[in-house]
Amino acid sequence: KAGVTQTPRYLIKTRGQQVTLSCSPISGHRSVSWYQQTPGQGLQFLFEYFSETQRNKGNFPGRFSGRQFSNSRSEMNVSTLELGDSALYLCASSLGGDTYNEQFFGPGTRLTVL
Amino acid sequence: TQLLEQSPQFLSIQEGENLTVYCNSSSVFSSLQWYRQEPGEGPVLLVTVVTGGEVKKLKRLTFQFGDARKDSSLHITAAQPGDTGLYLCAGARTKQGGKLIFGQGTELSVKP
Repeated sequence: KAGVTQTPRYLIKTRGQQVTLSCSPISGHRSVSWYQQTPGQGLQFLFEYFSETQRNKGNFPGRFSGRQFSNSRSEMNVSTLELGDSALYLCASSLGGDTYNEQFFGPGTRLTVL
Repeated sequence: TQLLEQSPQFLSIQEGENLTVYCNSSSVFSSLQWYRQEPGEGPVLLVTVVTGGEVKKLKRLTFQFGDARKDSSLHITAAQPGDTGLYLCAGARTKQGGKLIFGQGTELSVKP
């Protein structure tokens, strides 16, 4: 079974630009969650999509948005990039139940904002 | 506010030594997961503990969930250089779907 895939793996942008990251979950998984990882803050939850609907949201500004398609693939968009958005962006997929969640992570997209 | 306090943050030991990593919270979690992450890669799930007092073993790694489901520990016996990496604990709460709350991580270095 193929794991979670993320594209692109590396991205360099300049301040003010926008960026779209993509995540393909494990086959059969209906939930996709996004996390931001930085040295100072660690892993922080951005949002979760389940059956094309945002189910949970973290404490990030509205510049961070996402969506999920009918095949469970998900995209994350960051508009008006700031230097502080430089981070490793990880997506994780799970079956989607709300009892407990075994989340399986992709390799991440390394975003650098200059 | 860091809801999951993980300690120590850094650990450098010699091959063959034992170590314990702690993950503590004042909040109750429905489950707790441990991950290991290598540079440039995503976290890899090691184990999920669900029941208070539960102990799970994975070769030389022993995971324990506190009775009150507020804390957890990871014990490695006879550490090897291949155990080097970032160890992360993450808690999940009922009805919060895919939202995991992560500890800050423990950077483990095992020297031969």
